[in-house]
Amino acid sequence: DAGVIQSPRHEVTEMGQEVTLRCKPISGHDYLFWYRQTMMRGLELLIYFNNNVPIDDSGMPEDRFSAKMPNASFSTLKIQPSEPRDSAVYFCASKVEPGAEKLFFGSGTQLSVL
Amino acid sequence: TQLLEQSPQFLSIQEGENLTVYCNSSSVFSSLQWYRQEPGEGPVLLVTVVTGGEVKKLKRLTFQFGDARKDSSLHITAAQPGDTGLYLCAGEEGNTPLVFGKGTRLSVIA
Repeated sequence: DAGVIQSPRHEVTEMGQEVTLRCKPISGHDYLFWYRQTMMRGLELLIYFNNNVPIDDSGMPEDRFSAKMPNASFSTLKIQPSEPRDSAVYFCASKVEPGAEKLFFGSGTQLSVL
Repeated sequence: TQLLEQSPQFLSIQEGENLTVYCNSSSVFSSLQWYRQEPGEGPVLLVTVVTGGEVKKLKRLTFQFGDARKDSSLHITAAQPGDTGLYLCAGEEGNTPLVFGKGTRLSVIA
């Protein structure tokens, strides 16, 4: 299995531009998570899906952030318009079921908003 | 909100030394996981502890879950440069998503 695949690996954009991050979870995993990692705040949960349905988006910082999961093999996280404070590493992760299950992370997208 | 505090935040040691890092909370967790993250990569699970007082060993790494299931420690014996990385603890209560600590950044110098 190729694991969780994220694209792009790096994204540099200017303030005000739209940014779209992509994720392909591991096949058969029913749960998909979007996290953001910064030095100051660590790893923060933004939103998670179960069977393509958003379950909890309380971690999404503002209306500028939105996430979709149109099917079991693809999810996007969109920021519009982007701001410099959005600069961070964004991780997608998936797992088979809830509870004490292993969470598989992608390699992340390093986002820099200038 | 469940919070996990990790200490120390940074640790730099010589190869061959022993070390312990800590993960503490005021909340009770049904399980606790330890991950290691290397630069440019996502976290990778090392171990899951479920039972209060549980001790698990992974080669030179020893993980312990506190009796009250509020804290955990990770002890590394004879650290090697390959142990360098960010160590994250994460707690789970029931079916709620994992809550992560900010991590301990370990540097092992040859």
